[in-house]
Amino acid sequence: DGGITQSPKYLFRKEGQNVTLSCEQNLNHDAMYWYRQDPGQGLRLIYYSQIVNDFQKGDIAEGYSVSREKKESFPLTVTSAQKNPTAFYLCASSRTASNQPQHFGDGTRLSIL
Amino acid sequence: AQRVTQPEKLLSVFKGAPVELKCNYSYSGSPELFWYVQYSRQRLQLLLRHISRESIKGFTADLNKGETSFHLKKPFAQEEDSAMYYCALSDNTDKLIFGTGTRLQVFP
Repeated sequence: DGGITQSPKYLFRKEGQNVTLSCEQNLNHDAMYWYRQDPGQGLRLIYYSQIVNDFQKGDIAEGYSVSREKKESFPLTVTSAQKNPTAFYLCASSRTASNQPQHFGDGTRLSIL
Repeated sequence: AQRVTQPEKLLSVFKGAPVELKCNYSYSGSPELFWYVQYSRQRLQLLLRHISRESIKGFTADLNKGETSFHLKKPFAQEEDSAMYYCALSDNTDKLIFGTGTRLQVFP
């Protein structure tokens, strides 16, 4: 079954703790993205990667970090520097070309204990 | 700066009524526009894109460059259309700029 898999579905973080959200795709897409979804604010881009070993900051990258060591995987780390991490996080992928539609995962809901 | 505006947070209609979800954009070039939908307990998925000029699930959207709009329309709403709808703009790169979304509620 092709698609994007995000794990875990729910994640709890203690104050001062880093957590990593997993995103894997088997669509053979070059580009991958991380969004944050908050009520009333739509989707805001955190980081994106167009190719392995390369990534760029999105609109709200502060307090987050990513890596892209494999084409299939684009993990997001929410660091302790992110002061308001409670949100729903969505991962997406697309072919690398202008104006391509993005395919989304089911999301991870992160909460602070 | 590029921006997508969806002025309605919530749109409520009765089954069989026409539906129009508004989307306005600001972009100086030639945009590519999309509508995404998120049904309850399902992942966000592409509904349609303007370049395809197709009707999906009875929905259509026409790009109006003069009014910089890409409103989503359906002549007769169904209960299963209840969902969250997002308009998105591609600025001819890999990135998408999303609006804040409109929740459509279709009552029986």
